[in-house]
Amino acid sequence: AQSVTQLGSHVSVSEGALVLLRCNYSSSVPPYLFWYVQYPNQGLQLLLKYTTGATLVKGINGFEAEFKKSETSFHLTKPSAHMSDAAEYFCAVSVEGSARQLTFGSGTQLTVLP
Amino acid sequence: DGGITQSPKYLFRKEGQNVTLSCEQNLNHDAMYWYRQDPGQGLRLIYYSQIVNDFQKGDIAEGYSVSREKKESFPLTVTSAQKNPTAFYLCASSTRQGANGYTFGSGTRLTVV
Repeated sequence: AQSVTQLGSHVSVSEGALVLLRCNYSSSVPPYLFWYVQYPNQGLQLLLKYTTGATLVKGINGFEAEFKKSETSFHLTKPSAHMSDAAEYFCAVSVEGSARQLTFGSGTQLTVLP
Repeated sequence: DGGITQSPKYLFRKEGQNVTLSCEQNLNHDAMYWYRQDPGQGLRLIYYSQIVNDFQKGDIAEGYSVSREKKESFPLTVTSAQKNPTAFYLCASSTRQGANGYTFGSGTRLTVV
């Protein structure tokens, strides 16, 4: 079975600083990987995804993530944090044979300090 | 535009009452899901359905029931057997191929009064 670990339930950065949210996965077959963002009292919104092909994927709001098979990682980055990036972020994985159901990480709450 | 709609946004339940949360999608997705979200506990799967007239229990199905009579609709009933129903409930849908992950609704916040 697949699993996802998000390192750090809370991350704080200063406005303008680099954002790095860590995600490691476990899967015996090639995964699909996703990052979602959730603002307070709202649903989850897809930021970006990796299925096949280019391992560096770009998403909305200036975020990107790189699939590193050797490290089983899919870390989310943004060069310069903005106050509006403050939210909760979820990493998720799906694999073939599980009806492509998503397994979610426990989430990382990002705080952006002025 | 296609999307997934949850209603109501806020719901209040008295002790001992059953309440039903609505989830409707016009994305032509085969699969639909219900999650419960509590502070600091991430997403927990309640029920899911891969096809009309069929559904399976998730990790925390006790005290909940669902139906899937139409492809577009997947209502969740929180029964009186659910002892701690106060939470944020999220509905999601996806294609069978799953290449785009899930599309989520905007959620229903249920509070017991």
